[in-house]
Amino acid sequence: DTAVSQTPKYLVTQMGNDKSIKCEQNLGHDTMYWYKQDSKKFLKIMFSYNNKELIINETVPNRFSPKSPDKAHLNLHINSLELGDSAVYFCASSHGGQREKLFFGSGTQLSVL
Amino acid sequence: GESVGLHLPTLSVQEGDNSIINCAYSNSASDYFIWYKQESGKGPQFIIDIRSNMDKRQGQRVTVLLNKTVKHLSLQIAATQPGDSAVYFCAENIGGYQKVTFGIGTKLQVIP
Repeated sequence: DTAVSQTPKYLVTQMGNDKSIKCEQNLGHDTMYWYKQDSKKFLKIMFSYNNKELIINETVPNRFSPKSPDKAHLNLHINSLELGDSAVYFCASSHGGQREKLFFGSGTQLSVL
Repeated sequence: GESVGLHLPTLSVQEGDNSIINCAYSNSASDYFIWYKQESGKGPQFIIDIRSNMDKRQGQRVTVLLNKTVKHLSLQIAATQPGDSAVYFCAENIGGYQKVTFGIGTKLQVIP
């Protein structure tokens, strides 16, 4: 009965590889997000999708490509991974008139070696 | 990275005491503020929110105070418990725009 679930929880990979992180929410929310949290716990928004449409795209390298097949899913694909991509990536969702109240997944810890 | 040069502030509090976590925000156009709690190994979790037309809001053991004049927000936790140990983030939003901006966070350590 997990509300926002993301997989995998841990991802260890070599520089230059391509990887994906998947996210699903069963809350019926219409907006989903990807946030990046660095080693100092700083949380920064990367992308936001509303009903499968991209509405926020922060200054993120185009090696990062989100994909929303439907409003319950938002996946993140990363090409040509770099050391600086190591971080914890959080998926989140929100709904309608309470877009500011975010529901987060438990995070994917990405380590690029 | 965005947090280069910054470190996570830490607040140590004795169990049973009250905790006050402070936050300064920079955007005077922000009209909605939220506190999130992040426990180790988990995602942030909503605690309490406040709109800019209010200066105080109370929840269960938590109170948020907003001072728009000096752009300051605080979270007060009454009778702090070990389960309150976490990193606390203030976050701000402007007029329903779908972007919530997080502050740098404060780590709360509860001493038994």
